[in-house]
Amino acid sequence: QKEVEQNSGPLSVPEGAIASLNCTYSDRGSQSFFWYRQYSGKSPELIMSIYSNGDKEDGRFTAQLNKASQYVSLLIRDSQPSDSATYLCAVNNYGQNFVFGPGTRLSVLP
Amino acid sequence: DAMVIQNPRYQVTQFGKPVTLSCSQTLNHNVMYWYQQKSSQAPKLLFHYYDKDFNNEADTPDNFQSRRPNTSFCFLDIRSPGLGDAAMYLCATSRVAGEWGTDTQYFGPGTRLTVL
Repeated sequence: QKEVEQNSGPLSVPEGAIASLNCTYSDRGSQSFFWYRQYSGKSPELIMSIYSNGDKEDGRFTAQLNKASQYVSLLIRDSQPSDSATYLCAVNNYGQNFVFGPGTRLSVLP
Repeated sequence: DAMVIQNPRYQVTQFGKPVTLSCSQTLNHNVMYWYQQKSSQAPKLLFHYYDKDFNNEADTPDNFQSRRPNTSFCFLDIRSPGLGDAAMYLCATSRVAGEWGTDTQYFGPGTRLTVL
């Protein structure tokens, strides 16, 4: 059973702080990793994709991948109330299927 | 410009009355997916098409069917909706990309299905 796990939260951080979201996966053959943001009642929106070990930065977002530890994280710097949403981690392993984690609900407090 | 379009955005049906949801894409992606998402849960894959090849998830009920008449369009048919089928239905597309497997999924806005 291929699994992706995330802390369900809610994770609460003050405005301006760094939010750290974590994801672990069970399939060592996983090759590509994605973070999606989903606002209540809306569809998932891609934030970051990462394929290689290390860090990938895009504006206030940094994704970190460690394949040896089967761990991928998302850091949000200078968190804003508009970042309050559910963050979904998704993993793909060559096939066409993506396995989603249950999501972490983030609340950024003004 | 919208790249993955779903219609309708909101669908109300009666218990047992067949319903069809549609999805179209302008990305020319070779893979199209249908997900079911209930409140506070992760999207659950129902099935996907890789080109014309249909791939059904083992736990997808027979009540759910799909059609992909061409690259751009994909339909989800719910033959006899039950109360438990009320959910958001998400269409997504992606591209099989060689070395990296399947590239990013792009989601449509979803169709919210209500069953009375």
